[in-house]
Amino acid sequence: GESVGLHLPTLSVQEGDNSIINCAYSNSASDYFIWYKQESGKGPQFIIDIRSNMDKRQGQRVTVLLNKTVKHLSLQIAATQPGDSAVYFCAEKQGGSEKLVFGKGTKLTVNP
Amino acid sequence: KAGVTQTPRYLIKTRGQQVTLSCSPISGHRSVSWYQQTPGQGLQFLFEYFSETQRNKGNFPGRFSGRQFSNSRSEMNVSTLELGDSALYLCASSLNSLVTSEAFFGQGTRLTVV
Repeated sequence: GESVGLHLPTLSVQEGDNSIINCAYSNSASDYFIWYKQESGKGPQFIIDIRSNMDKRQGQRVTVLLNKTVKHLSLQIAATQPGDSAVYFCAEKQGGSEKLVFGKGTKLTVNP
Repeated sequence: KAGVTQTPRYLIKTRGQQVTLSCSPISGHRSVSWYQQTPGQGLQFLFEYFSETQRNKGNFPGRFSGRQFSNSRSEMNVSTLELGDSALYLCASSLNSLVTSEAFFGQGTRLTVV
């Protein structure tokens, strides 16, 4: 279908561990991908993005990997902190459109 | 720089009523998109406005409509409310340039239909 999917609905990690959140997308025409973090009662917050002409992009404690061959996207969070606990969404966008197609989300819980 | 502002934050309406939600984008952003978020369906695209024109529309009934003003502020309207319209309605704004495509979201309006 059109939606971007996620492999796991929940992920629980220990504080200080690295977290990996995965996402599978279905539209090979998508050329821009974004990870959002949504905390309870708030709107989605931009974390990091990547264009289809790249396979890796790093931010502060976060890395996004894009594998276009298998249409897979992942978000790696280094040294996960309790403040990282939230629901994480991947989203895709197709060239020329501002429409975002979101995955279902993965709830990350960081245990102290 | 102020973020995306949505008003009101919370609304309670009864079935059959109509509602208007407002969104003020980040200064300089000309594209405004609306999304509906529910536990069952997740985040779903409603429509997008750019320069006062609807450029893209999701798969929602005609009861859902929107508009954009010359200052890029946007409103969405839902008429003849149904219980299933209870959701968090999110507005996102973007610069819509060739260089960057980041979309920034507001806090949302929580609509409850009773």
